Amino acid sequence: QQQVKQSPQSLIVQKGGISIINCAYENTAFDYFPWYQQFPGKGPALLIAIRPDVSEKKEGRFTISFNKSAKQFSLHIMDSQPGDSATYFCAVGGSYIPTFGRGTSLIVHP
Amino acid sequence: DAGVTQSPTHLIKTRGQQVTLRCSPISGHKSVSWYQQVLGQGPQFIFQYYEKEERGRGNFPDRFSARQFPNYSSELNVNALLLGDSALYLCASSLQPSGRYEQYFGPGTRLTVT
Repeated sequence: QQQVKQSPQSLIVQKGGISIINCAYENTAFDYFPWYQQFPGKGPALLIAIRPDVSEKKEGRFTISFNKSAKQFSLHIMDSQPGDSATYFCAVGGSYIPTFGRGTSLIVHP
Repeated sequence: DAGVTQSPTHLIKTRGQQVTLRCSPISGHKSVSWYQQVLGQGPQFIFQYYEKEERGRGNFPDRFSARQFPNYSSELNVNALLLGDSALYLCASSLQPSGRYEQYFGPGTRLTVT
């Protein structure tokens, strides 16, 4: 059973646009929801994370929206830039070991 | 401060051989986790160690083993390599175990089994 479902698999956005990536989870015991950014040939880098006591967290151009009742959370990248082109992974964690989504390949066209 | 370091960067092995991968965590981090990332997939959890004790094990066969040393560095061993073991092996360190804390990943070791 896939504990976290990530969509879309790939995303193409124009420079300056908004990129939105979604994740849905099943187990309500999860209480830590990070997003990672990975460039080719590199390890994932923590981008932003949220805990279920808040519904939104913003850091610069990156925002996590969290819907506890729907068991969904999403990453919004405002003013997307070509340098944001990478693979993005959501993850869910808690007392359980973190489980990663399958990833979203984002391409931002100049 | 140095981030998580892993060695070697790349490795080519033949089926049936054994391999050892190494990881040094961020200074002050006592927890190390190992992940396998197949091309086009998210990282899959293999092991987590904290204070030299195994704290979690993913759904991997017994051919996979790991240990953590007193200086908190760690090794991942894989015996009887199969073609399907070809992947990027990632090490991540964190202050605490479990899945509630920020993990910092190393660059990974690219293992190719022929």
